Amino acid sequence: DAGVIQSPRHEVTEMGQEVTLRCKPISGHDYLFWYRQTMMRGLELLIYFNNNVPIDDSGMPEDRFSAKMPNASFSTLKIQPSEPRDSAVYFCASSSFGTGPSYEQYFGPGTRLTVT
Amino acid sequence: AQSVAQPEDQVNVAEGNPLTVKCTYSVSGNPYLFWYVQYPNRGLQFLLKYITGDNLVKGSYGFEAEFNKSQTSFHLKKPSALVSDSALYFCAARNAGNMLTFGGGTRLMVKP
Repeated sequence: DAGVIQSPRHEVTEMGQEVTLRCKPISGHDYLFWYRQTMMRGLELLIYFNNNVPIDDSGMPEDRFSAKMPNASFSTLKIQPSEPRDSAVYFCASSSFGTGPSYEQYFGPGTRLTVT
Repeated sequence: AQSVAQPEDQVNVAEGNPLTVKCTYSVSGNPYLFWYVQYPNRGLQFLLKYITGDNLVKGSYGFEAEFNKSQTSFHLKKPSALVSDSALYFCAARNAGNMLTFGGGTRLMVKP
């Protein structure tokens, strides 16, 4: 398996522009998570999905952020409009309960976002 | 509320010496605990987990962790450190909703 795939790996954009981050989870996984990592705040959970349905979005910082999962193999995290304080590394992760207590999450390589 | 604490921002150890990276947790119910490692410019990689059973859990790359319920700790250990173990280590606890709460991370520096 190729693991969790994220694109782009790096994104540089100007303040006010729309940014879309993409994630392909591991095939067969039914949970998908979006995290943000910064030096100041560490690793924060933004939102997670179960079977393509958003379960908890309490970590989404504000209305400028939105996430979708139109099918089991694709999710997007959109920031509109972007601001310099959104600069961070954004990780996608997936997991599956399966038939046993397999609770570990598998992380993608991340998207490093820089907003100037 | 669930929380995970990693009291050390950085741990320095000489190659070949044993290493310990500390983690304490506060969860309601049975704790499901994890260690992840992050190398520079990479995503987090799963190392090991405690779900139930033996308090000493063995994981990848020779790492192990000891679950101590009375001290609410889950320290990561390795008998002999390698320079290549230098990375950022995260402890995490899972809640009933399959969400992970991460500690702040500990940077491990192994010097030759």
